[in-house]
Amino acid sequence: QQQVKQSPQSLIVQKGGISIINCAYENTAFDYFPWYQQFPGKGPALLIAIRPDVSEKKEGRFTISFNKSAKQFSLHIMDSQPGDSATYFCAARRPSGTYKYIFGTGTRLKVLA
Amino acid sequence: GAGVSQSPSNKVTEKGKDVELRCDPISGHTALYWYRQSLGQGLEFLIYFQGNSAPDKSGLPSDRFSAERTGGSVSTLTIQRTQQEDSAVYLCASSPTKGNEQFFGPGTRLTVL
Repeated sequence: QQQVKQSPQSLIVQKGGISIINCAYENTAFDYFPWYQQFPGKGPALLIAIRPDVSEKKEGRFTISFNKSAKQFSLHIMDSQPGDSATYFCAARRPSGTYKYIFGTGTRLKVLA
Repeated sequence: GAGVSQSPSNKVTEKGKDVELRCDPISGHTALYWYRQSLGQGLEFLIYFQGNSAPDKSGLPSDRFSAERTGGSVSTLTIQRTQQEDSAVYLCASSPTKGNEQFFGPGTRLTVL
């Protein structure tokens, strides 16, 4: 119930290609779904986030697609660049009581120049 | 302005020793989270502080782990009688209000020999 399953574990994409990372959840009470980007030696940084009443959110080259009925959401990185090479984490927030975040296990993305 | 800072950045200790990890959140942020990130794993929630409320300690893996937050600002995570399985990166994050974006520090890499 509390898990967020993320796939793939690693991803290699050519420069200019589309990177797609998927997450699935079980708990329908989750109310906020952020994606974090983490570079080596740094803490994660918020990239983009979505609420379940929206099916898609786009910010520049980054898009979240959200499928409430399937309890899945995904991150799409268009025109992937070598500078996008990082680890990406999806997360889901449980709103009741503590605003606790459940994180996926991460996807290591490498964009080839 | 200054972000979340953590110290030390690296800590090597011997099995059985106690360690203290420090987190300085962004000034004015009322919420503070501690997470553990093991190699190849996602972020594991440890503990959450919100203002003057009792902390949510539900993620602490054993009674060897404890944390405090003094004056609603600086937080210290203490691990007593460290074990090799405690080796991980410990991340701290703060938020301006309950549930808003989390701002992460760079983490403390703990190695238990």
